[in-house]
Amino acid sequence: AQKVTQAQTEISVVEKEDVTLDCVYETRDTTYYLFWYKQPPSGELVFLIRRNSFDEQNEISGRYSWNFQKSTSSFNFTITASQVVDSAVYFCALSETSYDKVIFGPGTSLSVIP
Amino acid sequence: SAVISQKPSRDICQRGTSLTIQCQVDSQVTMMFWYRQQPGQSLTLIATANQGSEATYESGFVIDKFPISRPNLTFSTLTVSNMSPEDSSIYLCSVVHVFTDTQYFGPGTRLTVL
Repeated sequence: AQKVTQAQTEISVVEKEDVTLDCVYETRDTTYYLFWYKQPPSGELVFLIRRNSFDEQNEISGRYSWNFQKSTSSFNFTITASQVVDSAVYFCALSETSYDKVIFGPGTSLSVIP
Repeated sequence: SAVISQKPSRDICQRGTSLTIQCQVDSQVTMMFWYRQQPGQSLTLIATANQGSEATYESGFVIDKFPISRPNLTFSTLTVSNMSPEDSSIYLCSVVHVFTDTQYFGPGTRLTVL
């Protein structure tokens, strides 16, 4: 069975600090996809990244970076120099294929304090 | 990315009534899904909306309670029937874009049942 664990329920950081959100997944599939979504207080779910299991290269997009380690089944997300607008709930998710249903983790609520 | 709209954006309903939520996409998509997010919780898949045929429901969800239609590639409806306060949630439509194979989410419908 597929499962996503986000051990950090809530995190608070002061603006400009770096913060890493942890994600650990379980799957028996050899091919799978991992995602991160952001849900700000408005409620809309914003797609951040999709990564397939064959691509273990780390990715950087502006202040965001992702560290995928297949050996530890982890897909961690780092925000550098956090800003108040980063305050949101962040979901890590997993699917068998890119067009299949997505299994969501419980989410991590990030608060960035000015 | 696909532009997804949902109607209504929010509603307050009385126990025992039904509400139909519409999801409209501005471009062709391969898959459409309906998710539920209960207060303070993560997202749970209700069903896959299949074009021209019955939806595929996840364990714990039944057609009598959550009838779904998808008459064409870009439109779907979810009905929450015989509502109770436990149905108070955000209901989100998601689509897999035909060109990017990435799953995007609509803005959600925030439902409160009194």
